[in-house]
Amino acid sequence: DTEVTQTPKHLVMGMTNKKSLKCEQHMGHRAMYWYKQKAKKPPELMFVYSYEKLSINESVPSRFSPECPNSSLLNLHLHALQPEDSALYLCASSLSATGRGTGELFFGEGSRLTVL
Amino acid sequence: GNSVTQMEGPVTLSEEAFLTINCTYTATGYPSLFWYVQYPGEGLQLLLKATKADDKGSNKGFEATYRKETTSFHLEKGSVQVSDSAVYFCAPLIRTGTASKLTFGTGTRLQVTL
Repeated sequence: DTEVTQTPKHLVMGMTNKKSLKCEQHMGHRAMYWYKQKAKKPPELMFVYSYEKLSINESVPSRFSPECPNSSLLNLHLHALQPEDSALYLCASSLSATGRGTGELFFGEGSRLTVL
Repeated sequence: GNSVTQMEGPVTLSEEAFLTINCTYTATGYPSLFWYVQYPGEGLQLLLKATKADDKGSNKGFEATYRKETTSFHLEKGSVQVSDSAVYFCAPLIRTGTASKLTFGTGTRLQVTL
């Protein structure tokens, strides 16, 4: 199994809603990532988890709250978002966050978020 | 600091044409280098990689060689197909103290026509 699975594929939410994005992998990877991608732009790193601990937070606003309940799962909790937060949210995993192995990241298909 | 400069797009080619997409990077040390591809409406897929100087990554007819002297990792394909139409991202993996960070170039959109 070389897949990273993200749900939901599409999400529409209002600015007062609370929702969550979910990501799952069963490759035994110990690092998981959230990226944000706006239209016609490259993905931008948001968070890195290594061995279920938050390793990197790229100064992301607190309305985005990541959670890593176990080594296979990664959530992104959303609350009080703004319309400018509308984007494709990509989850990725890798063998290790410190670059063990070749360091390649495996990406999911993404969750397309629209904030009204 | 660490950064990656990628050829501006869009690039429009006829089928069977030769493709080059330039990529140069600045980084301390010798990062692993990757090319990712994003087809319309999809996530990112690893296209090829190279982990040390003079390594050549290849996949699906695409090639890129890790050039330490010029800090470059240019993507090439001898004969493109319509199905290669996508956005291509160059990405060095920069190792920091706590974690490695994959930093993407701006992306180059390739459009291949019949």
